[in-house]
Amino acid sequence: GIQVEQSPPDLILQEGANSTLRCNFSDSVNNLQWFHQNPWGQLINLFYIPSGTKQNGRLSATTVATERYSLLYISSSQTTDSGVYFCAVETQGGSEKLVFGKGTKLTVNP
Amino acid sequence: NAGVMQNPRHLVRRRGQEARLRCSPMKGHSHVYWYRQLPEEGLKFMVYLQKENIIDESGMPKERFSAEFPKEGPSILRIQQVVRGDSAAYFCASSPTYRGYEQYFGPGTRLTVT
Repeated sequence: GIQVEQSPPDLILQEGANSTLRCNFSDSVNNLQWFHQNPWGQLINLFYIPSGTKQNGRLSATTVATERYSLLYISSSQTTDSGVYFCAVETQGGSEKLVFGKGTKLTVNP
Repeated sequence: NAGVMQNPRHLVRRRGQEARLRCSPMKGHSHVYWYRQLPEEGLKFMVYLQKENIIDESGMPKERFSAEFPKEGPSILRIQQVVRGDSAAYFCASSPTYRGYEQYFGPGTRLTVT
């Protein structure tokens, strides 16, 4: 099955810093989504981005489908950005299920 | 994820009891997915359902677990004779159709087996 690898596994920042999270996947995809799981366990949809670039406030994402990777940018980080960021993909020609990476755990210190 | 409802949000069961988790998809969505997150792990697909049909159950444990999505009412994930290893967060997602559409996630049900 498809492999989804996220890096780095852990990231510690000072408030106000910028960061880039990466998601590599091993096969062509129909769907790619980024999620934020906050410290209370709630899973928040950030981006639906099978290709191209999107921005939402301080967050933006880019997926280069032909090269099989996606990047999530967080600018001017805040303590509320802490949590785990997951990338998930749905493969072309396969089941409609999402396959999740193991996540990047982000800690933003004040 | 606004609109996908799951209940209960927290569920405590003793070993051997049954657990029933409910998921109401977003309005207009006819596709439901269940995922499980074991402690300190990522999310894993369990089952994909449409109204009255199980489309893909490749992620469901072979025994004790079942799922349904009836014509009327919420989708139900049922775990019989729960064991401590079933303690996890169970998330439901819905989409309006299949193949590449965004999946919207509910808040999850946290099952604790004592």
